[in-house]
Amino acid sequence: GQNIDQPTEMTATEGAIVQINCTYQTSGFNGLFWYQQHAGEAPTFLSYNVLDGLEEKGRFSSFLSRSKGYSYLLLKELQMKDSASYLCAVRDQDYKLSFGAGTTVTVRA
Amino acid sequence: IAGITQAPTSQILAAGRRMTLRCTQDMRHNAMYWYRQDLGLGLRLIHYSNTAGTTGKGEVPDGYSVSRANTDDFPLTLASAVPSQTSVYFCASSESESTEAFFGQGTRLTVV
Repeated sequence: GQNIDQPTEMTATEGAIVQINCTYQTSGFNGLFWYQQHAGEAPTFLSYNVLDGLEEKGRFSSFLSRSKGYSYLLLKELQMKDSASYLCAVRDQDYKLSFGAGTTVTVRA
Repeated sequence: IAGITQAPTSQILAAGRRMTLRCTQDMRHNAMYWYRQDLGLGLRLIHYSNTAGTTGKGEVPDGYSVSRANTDDFPLTLASAVPSQTSVYFCASSESESTEAFFGQGTRLTVV
């Protein structure tokens, strides 16, 4: 099975930077994904890492270290609309896509 | 509009009844997934299918069954519903095993 761990909650101020960490233990590895989910809505895709290193996409960046089983999602220039849950997901050797419990980020003015 | 559609949007079901949640996608995606989402537990994989004609068990498959007769449809059946199956159910699909998954709008199921 999969073990995917991420913090439960984080709070940050508008305009600041927040880093959400994710550690995982899986049977094989075929990619790591980050999703955003607003309350009452479906998850939406943010980023994908399959090789080590940093992927940047506008205000959002995601980093992967496969040897450490570690990823982080970096949210820069936080806006109120970034208040949401952020989900780390890993695809294993059987191509199952499993999610962590999610990190609720609250952005304060 | 291309996408992934779930039905019904919400349902109240008596315990012991049989229920099928429908999921249809028109993106010709090969892989499809069913998740349940409960407060504090995140998205948990119930069943998945990497291609039409094949299915696999996820983390919490007991009490659920699926079929994948064609590329577009991936129904989830609760043979005899129990209150612990009260949850929000999400269907998702991805073009291949190495691409991101897109989610349906969810089905809120309450078993009483």
